[in-house]
Amino acid sequence: DGGITQSPKYLFRKEGQNVTLSCEQNLNHDAMYWYRQDPGQGLRLIYYSQIVNDFQKGDIAEGYSVSREKKESFPLTVTSAQKNPTAFYLCASSRSYRGERETQYFGPGTRLLVL
Amino acid sequence: AQSVTQLDSHVSVSEGTPVLLRCNYSSSYSPSLFWYVQHPNKGLQLLLKYTSAATLVKGINGFEAEFKKSETSFHLTKPSAHMSDAAEYFCVVSDRAGGTSYGKLTFGQGTILTVHP
Repeated sequence: DGGITQSPKYLFRKEGQNVTLSCEQNLNHDAMYWYRQDPGQGLRLIYYSQIVNDFQKGDIAEGYSVSREKKESFPLTVTSAQKNPTAFYLCASSRSYRGERETQYFGPGTRLLVL
Repeated sequence: AQSVTQLDSHVSVSEGTPVLLRCNYSSSYSPSLFWYVQHPNKGLQLLLKYTSAATLVKGINGFEAEFKKSETSFHLTKPSAHMSDAAEYFCVVSDRAGGTSYGKLTFGQGTILTVHP
């Protein structure tokens, strides 16, 4: 079955630690996205990538980094510079970024908690 | 600039009664509009989308929404609520791509739907 997988489901971060969230898709989509969800705030875009080896900052990129070495994979690193990382992180993909008709499909999410 | 306002943060209905979740939008271009549903601790699932074809859009699980340009609204309805409909619903707008303008998604704050037996 085609879809998006995210791992782990829950992740705990210690003070000063970098952690990496995994996102993999087998939909053959070109574009991938990372969103952060906080209660009552909807979803906010962290980073997006239209093509392999290229990515752009979204609205709240500070304290985060990404890579796009393969079409299928778009990992997100939450660095120690992100002072309030506790949130639900959602990865999404679409056939292309340019084009409003390209529906985004979402993974099941990773909940990040700070110890 | 685009924006989305979901007019109710919480809606409570009884099972078997109609559901209405309200959404108003603002967009500089002709928009595409979406409704997504999210069950607790899950990802978002697409319910339906409007992309300038028919103004009445039918989605999954008996939901539908009507695009009203004059009212800048895209309300979500269902004739008869089921217990499994209890979830959070997000209205989303995307500006039409054109020139260097990309189809960025803007999410509403969400409406939590509670369904009572």
